[in-house]
Parts: sequence; structure tokens; C-alpha cells
Amino acid sequence: GDSVTQMEGPVTLSEEAFLTINCTYTATGYPSLFWYVQYPGEGLQLLLKATKADDKGSNKGFEATYRKETTSFHLEKGSVQVSDSAVYFCALTTDSWGKLQFGAGTQVVVTP
Amino acid sequence: SQTIHQWPATLVQPVGSPLSLECTVEGTSNPNLYWYRQAAGRGLQLLFYSVGIGQISSEVPQNLSASRPQDRQFILSSKKLLLSDSGFYLCAYTQTSGTLPDTQYFGPGTRLTVL
Repeated sequence: GDSVTQMEGPVTLSEEAFLTINCTYTATGYPSLFWYVQYPGEGLQLLLKATKADDKGSNKGFEATYRKETTSFHLEKGSVQVSDSAVYFCALTTDSWGKLQFGAGTQVVVTP
Repeated sequence: SQTIHQWPATLVQPVGSPLSLECTVEGTSNPNLYWYRQAAGRGLQLLFYSVGIGQISSEVPQNLSASRPQDRQFILSSKKLLLSDSGFYLCAYTQTSGTLPDTQYFGPGTRLTVL
């Protein structure tokens, strides 16, 4: 079955540091890939997405590129802020009903 | 624009009591609807999804049930809660656009504590 593997957290870094969260996937067919962010006590918000190979999703300074050859969708941000502290989820769907398969989530803590 | 509501925001219930969580979507018609549970410190588990009124698919066996009495209303229920039902319950929807899967949008969630 389809699956998503994310690097384990928590990831702790200082403000203005570079952030990378690794995400790899296994899927039959051609999945759409997503990054969601969950701030403390809140629901999930879509951060970015990519629907085909070599697409780059970007939003709020975050970027991720759909790499079919390495089945990866790593999330990056060049200079993090304290407000980026959250849990980040990588997800995919290949389902015509839109059902998402989530990774376990990676907690990111940014300190001043 | 579309919005999604969930209530209540928080709930504390005794073991063995019934449960009803409600989710409503505004600004779109015939959405696909989903219920997820997020246990403490863990990822999201899809519980139910619905592609239309009265159509419910269950992803995992459990003592929870779901119903969709109206196009934009999705209800999660239980007759008797267990301790293991504690968690953060999230409702989500996608706009139906042809046969391609679309982005899921999530509600603010309901935090359920079963004592």
C-alpha cells in the first residue's frame, strides 16, 4: 500500500537557520504530494502541494520539489522564524476519492 | 469562499457516555468529507469518508460511526465511549472537481478527553 516516511523530530534550530524536513514515499501510480502544517492546538493548514514530477510547491518561504526518481518531497526553508514552530506533515494521495496518506509528522521548534 | 466548522471545540466525557461531533462546510456543494483522529503525539488516522449524502465508508473497525444527513454536514458518533477514543478529531473536505483528487481543507478540530 501507499506510505509516507518522514524524518523523526523534534527538530530544534535557531532563528534564521536553514530547515530541511525529509519526506519519502511509496505509491502505486502517480501521487499528488502535500505538506501540511499544524500550529499548537489547531487543525491542519495546507502549506504547499505538487501534483506531478519536477513540480515545485512554494508558500511562505517554504519550498518542496516533487522528485519521482528518488520518490521524495523534502521541505526546505532558508531562514526560519520562531513563528514557524509547528508540526509538519507530509502526505500523498493517489485515490480518486482524495483520501490522504500522512506521514507521522515532524515537530519543529525554533528558538530566538 | 469556503469554510469548515467543527463543534464543540473541546469535550470531556466519561467512559460509556455517548458522543456526537459535528462538522459543517460552507461555500461549496457536494464536497467529499473526511473524519480523522490524531492521538497524542501521533500522526493522523483516517476514520471515515463520504462522497455523498448517506454514503459512508469506514477505514478502521472501531466503536465510532459517522453519518451525513445533509450535503455539507458530517457527524461522528459513538454510543459508548472508551478511554482509547480520546484524541483530537479533525474534519476535512475536498471540492469535487472531475475525477482528480483535490486538496483537503481541515477544520479547527475537536479535542476529546474520555475519563
